[in-house]
Amino acid sequence: DTAVSQTPKYLVTQMGNDKSIKCEQNLGHDTMYWYKQDSKKFLKIMFSYNNKELIINETVPNRFSPKSPDKAHLNLHINSLELGDSAVYFCASSQDPRGAYGYTFGSGTRLTVV
Amino acid sequence: AQKVTQAQTEISVVEKEDVTLDCVYETRDTTYYLFWYKQPPSGELVFLIRRNSFDEQNEISGRYSWNFQKSTSSFNFTITASQVVDSAVYFCALSPNAGNNRKLIWGLGTSLAVNP
Repeated sequence: DTAVSQTPKYLVTQMGNDKSIKCEQNLGHDTMYWYKQDSKKFLKIMFSYNNKELIINETVPNRFSPKSPDKAHLNLHINSLELGDSAVYFCASSQDPRGAYGYTFGSGTRLTVV
Repeated sequence: AQKVTQAQTEISVVEKEDVTLDCVYETRDTTYYLFWYKQPPSGELVFLIRRNSFDEQNEISGRYSWNFQKSTSSFNFTITASQVVDSAVYFCALSPNAGNNRKLIWGLGTSLAVNP
């Protein structure tokens, strides 16, 4: 019954590794997002897809690559992980690209790079 | 410029006190939406309320109430008779509805600690 589910919930990995985080929503929403929340709780948007089309691509290192195989899924792949990538990553979805109805968030993936 | 300011970084109260979390926003749009989200220590982000810019009626939901005032560009959140379970980070956000905007504008959050 989970509306937005992301896996894994925790991810501990070494510098230089490549990892992926998966996200799926069963709300029928058209738009999905990846957010990064740093240790100071600041929420920063990274990417947004609307019906599989990339519509927001904020200034993030190109080691981060989103992939949306269909509008219910948005995965995040990170290459060559660095210490500074440690954060909580949230997937979210909304009914429309403006987020006028708000977002539904996944439970977050806590990434720790050692 | 579109901006959301939550001036209170941290608030600490004793249980049963009332507490108000401030949110001031900036936008030139005439149509927009405002939101509050709660992030408890468990980490998830929980939607609390959405308010349309044309609806200035205050909202009450149990111990929670919201005061929207366009004249001061504020959308403040009050918790009455606070409880320990209210301890969380609270985020205010703005969705402008004009132009090419396609993302929420987030405040930096207010960390509320309710002590027994």
